[in-house]
Amino acid sequence: QVQLQESGPGLVKPSQTLSLTCTVSGGSISSGSYYWSWIRQPAGKGLEWIGRIYTSGSTNYNPSLKSRVTISVDTSKNQFSLKLSSVTAADTAVYYCAISPYSSSAWFDPWGQGTLVTVSS
Amino acid sequence: EIVLTQSPGTLSLSPGERATLSCRASQSVSSSYLAWYQQKPGQAPRLLIYGASSRATGIPDRFSGSGSGTDFTLTISRLEPEDFAVYYCQQYGSSMYTFGQGTKLEIK
Repeated sequence: QVQLQESGPGLVKPSQTLSLTCTVSGGSISSGSYYWSWIRQPAGKGLEWIGRIYTSGSTNYNPSLKSRVTISVDTSKNQFSLKLSSVTAADTAVYYCAISPYSSSAWFDPWGQGTLVTVSS
Repeated sequence: EIVLTQSPGTLSLSPGERATLSCRASQSVSSSYLAWYQQKPGQAPRLLIYGASSRATGIPDRFSGSGSGTDFTLTISRLEPEDFAVYYCQQYGSSMYTFGQGTKLEIK
């Protein structure tokens, strides 16, 4: 059973770059079986998909964030990462990593527990 | 971008009652690409239903999904105390995912 764990700074200054890592256990990120996604949720609000990466390095991003997002994969560490540049207070949220099956790619299961990132000076 | 609109925003029911949650899409969604999640406070969302009507592993059979095209429904046949939570629908299409805004199911 694949498990996911997010990590990274909980506080980021405005205009800086938010960087998070998702560590995968119980499976190999190189298996080719999944897409690896980032999703966020501002406090008290709904869910927003940020983007995804496949083992090959192929990416898809939410058009609303595309200009600021980079998702990458490190197969040697069994991790994938999120970078979001030029952050503002509107980027304050709980950030989740999640996987979707390559065969259909249509749903997310499982999810990491989430990590809160606050953008503030 | 396909917009998902969930209704009602809040649903107040008692344990033992039947809950019916709606998810309406701005354009037709393939049934294969419609999922439902449950989220409790402080927790990550949990997959309940995928492919519009297939229950995820370990999900009780009181949860069922139905619908096609632009109208989808999550039904909880007989509410248990642990079912009171927020529910989200989600669709996939054109390498893009969108979520509904959520329905809060609260104890009456």
